[in-house]
Amino acid sequence: GQSLEQPSEVTAVEGAIVQINCTYQTSGFYGLSWYQQHDGGAPTFLSYNGLDGLEETGRFSSFLSRSDSYGYLLLQELQMKDSASYFCAVSYRDDKIIFGKGTRLHILP
Amino acid sequence: GAVVSQHPSWVICKSGTSVKIECRSLDFQATTMFWYRQFPKQSLMLMATSNEGSKATYEQGVEKDKFLINHASLTLSTLTVTSAHPEDSSFYICSALRPLTQGTDTQYFGPGTRLTVL
Repeated sequence: GQSLEQPSEVTAVEGAIVQINCTYQTSGFYGLSWYQQHDGGAPTFLSYNGLDGLEETGRFSSFLSRSDSYGYLLLQELQMKDSASYFCAVSYRDDKIIFGKGTRLHILP
Repeated sequence: GAVVSQHPSWVICKSGTSVKIECRSLDFQATTMFWYRQFPKQSLMLMATSNEGSKATYEQGVEKDKFLINHASLTLSTLTVTSAHPEDSSFYICSALRPLTQGTDTQYFGPGTRLTVL
Protein backbone atom coordinates (compact mmCIF):
# COMPACT_ATOMS: atom_id res chain seq x y z
CA GLY A 1 0.00 0.00 0.00
CA GLN A 2 0.88 3.63 0.06
CA SER A 3 1.47 5.71 3.14
CA LEU A 4 3.09 8.99 4.00
CA GLU A 5 3.85 10.05 7.53
CA GLN A 6 4.47 13.58 8.69
CA PRO A 7 3.90 15.28 12.05
CA SER A 8 0.43 16.69 12.50
CA GLU A 9 1.61 19.92 14.11
CA VAL A 10 4.83 21.86 14.62
CA THR A 11 5.36 25.08 16.55
CA ALA A 12 8.28 27.45 16.06
CA VAL A 13 9.28 31.02 16.81
CA GLU A 14 9.42 33.83 14.29
CA GLY A 15 12.91 34.13 12.83
CA ALA A 16 13.85 30.57 13.72
CA ILE A 17 14.40 27.48 11.56
CA VAL A 18 12.00 24.55 11.42
CA GLN A 19 12.23 21.16 9.76
CA ILE A 20 9.20 19.11 8.75
CA ASN A 21 9.95 15.45 8.17
CA CYS A 22 8.18 13.06 5.85
CA THR A 23 8.57 9.31 5.52
CA TYR A 24 6.86 7.27 2.90
CA GLN A 25 6.14 3.69 1.95
CA THR A 26 5.08 3.29 -1.61
CA SER A 27 5.74 1.50 -4.84
CA GLY A 28 6.38 3.28 -8.10
CA PHE A 29 7.98 6.27 -6.39
CA TYR A 30 9.11 8.99 -8.74
CA GLY A 31 9.73 12.03 -6.58
CA LEU A 32 8.74 13.96 -3.47
CA SER A 33 7.05 17.33 -3.53
CA TRP A 34 6.10 19.85 -0.89
CA TYR A 35 3.05 22.09 -0.94
CA GLN A 36 1.90 24.94 1.27
CA GLN A 37 -1.75 25.59 1.99
CA HIS A 38 -3.19 28.52 3.91
CA ASP A 39 -6.61 28.21 5.50
CA GLY A 40 -9.33 28.42 2.89
CA GLY A 41 -6.88 28.42 0.01
CA ALA A 42 -5.55 25.94 -2.49
CA PRO A 43 -2.15 24.27 -2.23
CA THR A 44 0.81 26.04 -3.75
CA PHE A 45 3.85 24.21 -5.00
CA LEU A 46 7.03 24.75 -2.98
CA SER A 47 9.62 22.25 -4.17
CA TYR A 48 10.30 18.93 -5.84
CA ASN A 49 13.04 16.35 -5.26
CA GLY A 50 13.49 13.68 -7.91
CA LEU A 51 17.02 12.80 -6.87
CA ASP A 52 18.74 12.43 -3.52
CA GLY A 53 20.04 15.61 -2.01
CA LEU A 54 19.08 19.11 -1.12
CA GLU A 55 17.13 21.57 -3.23
CA GLU A 56 17.16 25.19 -2.15
CA THR A 57 14.68 27.88 -3.08
CA GLY A 58 15.10 31.04 -1.11
CA ARG A 59 14.18 30.48 2.53
CA PHE A 60 12.87 27.00 1.78
CA SER A 61 14.95 23.88 1.22
CA SER A 62 13.89 20.31 0.65
CA PHE A 63 15.84 17.11 1.05
CA LEU A 64 15.33 13.58 -0.19
CA SER A 65 16.94 10.25 0.62
CA ARG A 66 15.44 7.57 -1.57
CA SER A 67 17.28 4.77 0.21
CA ASP A 68 15.73 5.85 3.51
CA SER A 69 12.32 6.73 2.01
CA TYR A 70 12.65 10.01 3.81
CA GLY A 71 12.55 13.67 3.06
CA TYR A 72 12.18 16.96 4.84
CA LEU A 73 11.25 20.55 4.25
CA LEU A 74 13.41 23.17 5.94
CA LEU A 75 12.06 26.65 6.48
CA GLN A 76 14.51 29.35 7.54
CA GLU A 77 14.00 32.85 8.90
CA LEU A 78 10.42 32.04 9.73
CA GLN A 79 7.85 34.74 9.15
CA MET A 80 4.32 34.95 10.50
CA LYS A 81 2.99 34.49 6.97
CA ASP A 82 4.57 31.03 6.93
CA SER A 83 1.85 29.84 9.29
CA ALA A 84 0.06 27.27 7.16
CA SER A 85 -0.29 23.58 6.51
CA TYR A 86 2.53 21.85 4.68
CA PHE A 87 1.98 18.67 2.73
CA CYS A 88 4.54 16.25 1.46
CA ALA A 89 3.40 14.40 -1.62
CA VAL A 90 4.70 11.44 -3.57
CA SER A 91 4.73 11.65 -7.34
CA TYR A 92 4.31 8.58 -9.49
CA ARG A 93 5.42 7.82 -13.03
CA ASP A 94 1.85 8.30 -14.26
CA ASP A 95 1.95 11.87 -12.92
CA LYS A 96 -0.38 11.15 -10.01
CA ILE A 97 0.34 12.79 -6.68
CA ILE A 98 -0.64 11.29 -3.35
CA PHE A 99 -0.60 13.73 -0.45
CA GLY A 100 0.38 13.19 3.15
CA LYS A 101 -1.99 14.29 5.88
CA GLY A 102 -0.27 17.61 6.33
CA THR A 103 1.65 19.39 9.06
CA ARG A 104 0.12 22.42 10.65
CA LEU A 105 2.89 24.98 11.32
CA HIS A 106 2.22 27.45 14.13
CA ILE A 107 4.57 30.40 14.40
CA LEU A 108 4.88 32.34 17.62
CA PRO A 109 5.95 36.00 17.66
CA GLY B 1 3.83 31.29 -12.49
CA ALA B 2 1.22 29.16 -14.18
CA VAL B 3 -2.40 30.09 -13.58
CA VAL B 4 -5.27 27.71 -13.12
CA SER B 5 -8.75 29.02 -12.47
CA GLN B 6 -11.87 27.39 -11.11
CA HIS B 7 -15.44 28.46 -11.39
CA PRO B 8 -17.44 28.92 -9.31
CA SER B 9 -15.36 29.64 -6.21
CA TRP B 10 -18.26 28.62 -4.03
CA VAL B 11 -21.71 27.17 -4.57
CA ILE B 12 -24.67 26.34 -2.38
CA CYS B 13 -27.27 23.97 -3.74
CA LYS B 14 -30.22 21.91 -2.67
CA SER B 15 -29.94 18.18 -2.15
CA GLY B 16 -30.65 16.27 -5.33
CA THR B 17 -29.43 18.91 -7.75
CA SER B 18 -26.35 18.70 -9.96
CA VAL B 19 -23.44 21.09 -9.81
CA LYS B 20 -20.81 21.69 -12.47
CA ILE B 21 -17.34 22.96 -11.59
CA GLU B 22 -14.97 24.23 -14.27
CA CYS B 23 -11.20 24.10 -14.19
CA ARG B 24 -9.18 26.11 -16.71
CA SER B 25 -5.48 26.41 -17.36
CA LEU B 26 -5.09 30.01 -18.44
CA ASP B 27 -1.57 30.24 -19.81
CA PHE B 28 -0.61 26.71 -20.80
CA GLN B 29 -2.14 23.64 -22.37
CA ALA B 30 -2.82 20.74 -20.07
CA THR B 31 -3.47 17.30 -21.47
CA THR B 32 -3.81 16.03 -17.92
CA MET B 33 -5.76 17.55 -15.06
CA PHE B 34 -6.59 16.14 -11.67
CA TRP B 35 -9.55 16.54 -9.35
CA TYR B 36 -9.16 16.44 -5.58
CA ARG B 37 -11.54 16.67 -2.67
CA GLN B 38 -10.59 18.02 0.73
CA PHE B 39 -12.70 17.80 3.86
CA PRO B 40 -12.04 20.26 6.72
CA LYS B 41 -8.67 19.77 8.42
CA GLN B 42 -7.90 16.78 6.20
CA SER B 43 -5.58 16.13 3.33
CA LEU B 44 -6.32 16.33 -0.35
CA MET B 45 -7.72 13.11 -1.71
CA LEU B 46 -7.26 12.40 -5.39
CA MET B 47 -10.60 11.64 -7.00
CA ALA B 48 -9.75 11.21 -10.65
CA THR B 49 -7.35 11.93 -13.47
CA SER B 50 -8.81 13.83 -16.38
CA ASN B 51 -7.23 13.23 -19.77
CA GLU B 52 -8.01 15.41 -22.76
CA GLY B 53 -9.90 13.48 -25.39
CA SER B 54 -10.36 10.30 -23.38
CA LYS B 55 -12.24 8.97 -20.40
CA ALA B 56 -11.25 10.00 -16.92
CA THR B 57 -9.55 7.53 -14.62
CA TYR B 58 -11.17 7.31 -11.21
CA GLU B 59 -9.53 6.37 -7.93
CA GLN B 60 -10.81 3.45 -5.97
CA GLY B 61 -13.97 4.26 -4.09
CA VAL B 62 -14.95 7.24 -6.25
CA GLU B 63 -18.24 6.76 -8.08
CA LYS B 64 -17.74 7.66 -11.73
CA ASP B 65 -21.48 7.97 -12.32
CA LYS B 66 -21.80 10.48 -9.51
CA PHE B 67 -18.74 12.57 -10.34
CA LEU B 68 -18.79 13.12 -14.08
CA ILE B 69 -15.59 14.45 -15.60
CA ASN B 70 -15.22 15.90 -19.07
CA HIS B 71 -11.94 17.16 -20.52
CA ALA B 72 -13.05 18.50 -23.86
CA SER B 73 -10.13 20.79 -24.59
CA LEU B 74 -6.52 21.31 -23.61
CA THR B 75 -7.48 24.13 -21.26
CA LEU B 76 -10.76 23.01 -19.72
CA SER B 77 -11.91 20.15 -17.51
CA THR B 78 -15.28 20.01 -15.80
CA LEU B 79 -16.47 18.06 -12.79
CA THR B 80 -20.20 17.55 -12.37
CA VAL B 81 -21.48 16.37 -9.03
CA THR B 82 -24.75 14.68 -9.89
CA SER B 83 -27.63 14.40 -7.44
CA ALA B 84 -25.59 16.10 -4.75
CA HIS B 85 -26.22 15.27 -1.11
CA PRO B 86 -25.00 16.92 2.10
CA GLU B 87 -22.17 14.40 2.42
CA ASP B 88 -20.79 15.72 -0.88
CA SER B 89 -20.19 19.11 0.74
CA SER B 90 -16.46 19.67 0.48
CA PHE B 91 -13.67 21.72 -1.03
CA TYR B 92 -13.04 20.56 -4.59
CA ILE B 93 -9.68 21.44 -6.08
CA CYS B 94 -8.40 20.84 -9.58
CA SER B 95 -4.85 20.87 -10.81
CA ALA B 96 -3.27 21.01 -14.22
CA LEU B 97 -0.07 19.28 -15.18
CA ARG B 98 2.59 21.45 -16.77
CA PRO B 99 6.06 20.41 -17.94
CA LEU B 100 8.86 22.30 -16.24
CA THR B 101 12.01 23.47 -17.95
CA GLN B 102 14.12 20.86 -16.15
CA GLY B 103 12.10 18.08 -17.69
CA THR B 104 9.85 17.22 -14.79
CA ASP B 105 6.18 18.00 -14.65
CA THR B 106 4.45 19.67 -11.79
CA GLN B 107 0.89 20.30 -10.90
CA TYR B 108 -0.53 23.78 -10.60
CA PHE B 109 -3.61 24.02 -8.47
CA GLY B 110 -6.75 26.00 -8.97
CA PRO B 111 -8.12 28.11 -6.12
CA GLY B 112 -10.74 25.52 -5.25
CA THR B 113 -14.53 25.41 -5.17
CA ARG B 114 -16.36 25.15 -1.89
CA LEU B 115 -19.55 23.15 -2.33
CA THR B 116 -22.28 23.22 0.29
CA VAL B 117 -25.27 20.97 -0.21
CA LEU B 118 -28.29 21.77 1.93
